[in-house]
Amino acid sequence: EAGVVQSPRYKIIEKKQPVAFWCNPISGHNTLYWYRQNLGQGPELLIRYENEEAVDDSQLPKDRFSAERLKGVDSTLKIQPAELGDSAVYLCASSRRGQAQGDTQYFGPGTRLTVL
Amino acid sequence: EDQVTQSPEALRLQEGESSSLNCSYTVSGLRGLFWYRQDPGKGPEFLFTLYSAGEEKEKERLKATLTKKESFLHITAPKPEDSATYLCAVQAQGGSEKLVFGKGTKLTVNP
Repeated sequence: EAGVVQSPRYKIIEKKQPVAFWCNPISGHNTLYWYRQNLGQGPELLIRYENEEAVDDSQLPKDRFSAERLKGVDSTLKIQPAELGDSAVYLCASSRRGQAQGDTQYFGPGTRLTVL
Repeated sequence: EDQVTQSPEALRLQEGESSSLNCSYTVSGLRGLFWYRQDPGKGPEFLFTLYSAGEEKEKERLKATLTKKESFLHITAPKPEDSATYLCAVQAQGGSEKLVFGKGTKLTVNP
């Protein structure tokens, strides 16, 4: 079974430029998450999708961040304009909703963003 | 607010020297506690899920245990390939689904 796929793996941009990250979840996983991981920290949730609906975006900085999950499969996370403090690893995860207990989230390799 | 604290921040062991990593948590009703391993430049790799106090799970040289306030990841006779950052996360009841992570413990196993 293929894992979560993310691209690009690395991105270097100048501040104020836009940037986009793409994620393809594990086949059959209807829940998709975007996390941000700063250096030396654990991942922090930005947004969660159930199929194509964003059901938890309370931690997403909506002035500059946006996300979409058209057709309930692939997802794109965008930052416009980027700021120096956005430098981090952006992780995508997916899970299969509906299990009796905690749904295990499987992570992709992440996109390392550097804003200069 | 749900919170996870991991200790120590870093641990250096000799090959074969067993030890334990600690994960203390406060959560408004635990739905699950998760352990992940993260290698440099990679995403977290799932290891274990624990659901209730007293539960234990094992995988090769790793054993995870859970009490009402903390979890331990025991590493028996570690090898250099066990070197990684180990992340602990909790998921609360109530439908939020989000994982609240600790900062991790960076484990180095010297040959």
